[in-house]
Amino acid sequence: SAVISQKPSRDICQRGTSLTIQCQVDSQVTMMFWYRQQPGQSLTLIATANQGSEATYESGFVIDKFPISRPNLTFSTLTVSNMSPEDSSIYLCSVGITGGGSEAFFGQGTRLTVV
Amino acid sequence: RKEVEQDPGPFNVPEGATVAFNCTYSNSASQSFFWYRQDCRKEPKLLMSVYSSGNEDGRFTAQLNRASQYISLLIRDSKLSDSATYLCAVWGKRGSTLGRLYFGRGTQLTVWP
Repeated sequence: SAVISQKPSRDICQRGTSLTIQCQVDSQVTMMFWYRQQPGQSLTLIATANQGSEATYESGFVIDKFPISRPNLTFSTLTVSNMSPEDSSIYLCSVGITGGGSEAFFGQGTRLTVV
Repeated sequence: RKEVEQDPGPFNVPEGATVAFNCTYSNSASQSFFWYRQDCRKEPKLLMSVYSSGNEDGRFTAQLNRASQYISLLIRDSKLSDSATYLCAVWGKRGSTLGRLYFGRGTQLTVWP
């Protein structure tokens, strides 16, 4: 497995502002993903963070709203831009260590409340 | 059609009961299958991988039926500490990319004394 450190663990933000969430892994990983989980709902994939290139976004998510960086194989950031109350959710970083088909491990999550 | 379908429950069972969860998946080419456990207000944690021949880990048994495209999780002798949400996950490829995990919506289990 991998040790995944996600920061911040929670935040309360004003609408219209942006929040950047960091995900640090203790070893190099092939794949990194960002998910959103609304209360009582399952996981929704926002995007796959690609090292050295633009992230691959899922339907309904765009780079302007959720810019993602992945400068190396151990670190990624997700920014939630121009926030509204609808962005209140838990955001989770996930990593796949060995590449396609492998199990994924999750960071502790960031609980975001937009007021 | 969703990639992965899972009965959300909830399942409410007494201690010591046996409970089974099922998940169906739509992509017959899927190769990897997993069960995760998620406690309230926590991140999902890998419970077990699901292998073609079926696999067991203590009180937990996972099985894969490729012909019918479903995976199952059996919990025997339920404990209070088994109360959680159980999510199935299936790895699917998209074109030339490495692919991604598709998660079911989760099945909530409550074990009562």
